[in-house]
Amino acid sequence: DVKVTQSSRYLVKRTGEKVFLECVQDMDHENMFWYRQDPGLGLRLIYFSYDVKMKEKGDIPEGYSVSREKKERFSLILESASTNQTSMYLCASNKGVAEAFFGQGTRLTVV
Amino acid sequence: GDSVTQMEGPVTLSEEAFLTINCTYTATGYPSLFWYVQYPGEGLQLLLKATKADDKGSNKGFEATYRKETTSFHLEKGSVQVSDSAVYFCALYQSGGSYIPTFGRGTSLIVHP
Repeated sequence: DVKVTQSSRYLVKRTGEKVFLECVQDMDHENMFWYRQDPGLGLRLIYFSYDVKMKEKGDIPEGYSVSREKKERFSLILESASTNQTSMYLCASNKGVAEAFFGQGTRLTVV
Repeated sequence: GDSVTQMEGPVTLSEEAFLTINCTYTATGYPSLFWYVQYPGEGLQLLLKATKADDKGSNKGFEATYRKETTSFHLEKGSVQVSDSAVYFCALYQSGGSYIPTFGRGTSLIVHP
């Protein structure tokens, strides 16, 4: 069974903390994505990676960075968490233009 | 650029009612089309897909037909259940284009017993 695994289902962090969200896929996919999901706004792409050490900004990259040191792992970093980054974060991966597989999501609350 | 438009929700139905969720798209070329479902508190799961015009995708009683002439991929189910309550996303992938899929905003479905 194919799998995309996000390291946490729920996280609570303080304003100003550096936050790491981890995502691992076991399907040897080249492409990996980080989305943010907020009510009424759908999915918004934060960053995208098409290969190890390669990344592209999505629609809302401000306040975020990413790291892809190994093919299977794609990390999202909040350099200094703020309350407006409270959201559901979704990781996804795919090969070429085939369907994307999603992780279960991380609900992050910044207090 | 590419775009996907879904009907606004929520869609509220009684159990065993017929479901249609509209999806239209704008894209050059011949995109692949997808429907994803997101159950409460979960990530998205692929529900069905169609990769060329007139293809019909189907799964779990849901169906959608790729209509190039109307640039549509409407999701239908003949008899919904309470367990179908979820958010449904229409999406497209442009072959030969960007690796980034284009998603609609999602349509919430609420099914009452």
